[in-house]
Amino acid sequence: GNSVTQMEGPVTLSEEAFLTINCTYTATGYPSLFWYVQYPGEGLQLLLKATKADDKGSNKGFEATYRKETTSFHLEKGSVQVSDSAVYFCALSGRAGNKFYFGSGTKLNVKP
Amino acid sequence: DVKVTQSSRYLVKRTGEKVFLECVQDMDHENMFWYRQDPGLGLRLIYFSYDVKMKEKGDIPEGYSVSREKKERFSLILESASTNQTSMYLCASTPRQGAYNEQFFGPGTRLTVL
Repeated sequence: GNSVTQMEGPVTLSEEAFLTINCTYTATGYPSLFWYVQYPGEGLQLLLKATKADDKGSNKGFEATYRKETTSFHLEKGSVQVSDSAVYFCALSGRAGNKFYFGSGTKLNVKP
Repeated sequence: DVKVTQSSRYLVKRTGEKVFLECVQDMDHENMFWYRQDPGLGLRLIYFSYDVKMKEKGDIPEGYSVSREKKERFSLILESASTNQTSMYLCASTPRQGAYNEQFFGPGTRLTVL
């Protein structure tokens, strides 16, 4: 079956630090992979996505590369800001339809 | 700008009440979803719908039902609210075609059952 595992939080960093949030997946076939962000009190917003192996998704300084050999889609940012404090969700969508599978979320706290 | 709206941001109800949560999308999407979000558990799928009047159970449908009478509207119903249904409820939609499309989320409804 399909599932997503991401690192537990919270992750606390100082401003301008390097960020990695690990995400690994189990899937049948060739899923699409997504990172969503949820700011306090809001719904989820798409941060980036990748639809096939070796694709790199990027947005707002965040990047993630679809690694089929390691079944991973780790989120990275070179220099975090206080405004990046949020909960980050890794997700996959199976080819069979539009059902999504979400990780449990990783809370990021960035301190000035 | 694409939009998914939910009828309430915050809702307080009493045990045993019937509760309706409404979700409307203006993107002409075929697929709509209801999730609940709880700390440490991420998002869990309650029900989803691929078309008007069609529904399928997700991972945790017990205690919930849904209604999709019009394409743009997907309602979640708690027939008799209980305290363990206190949660954040998120609605999402996506077009029918393929797995490449993202899900678009509403702002969420935080429901408290007393």
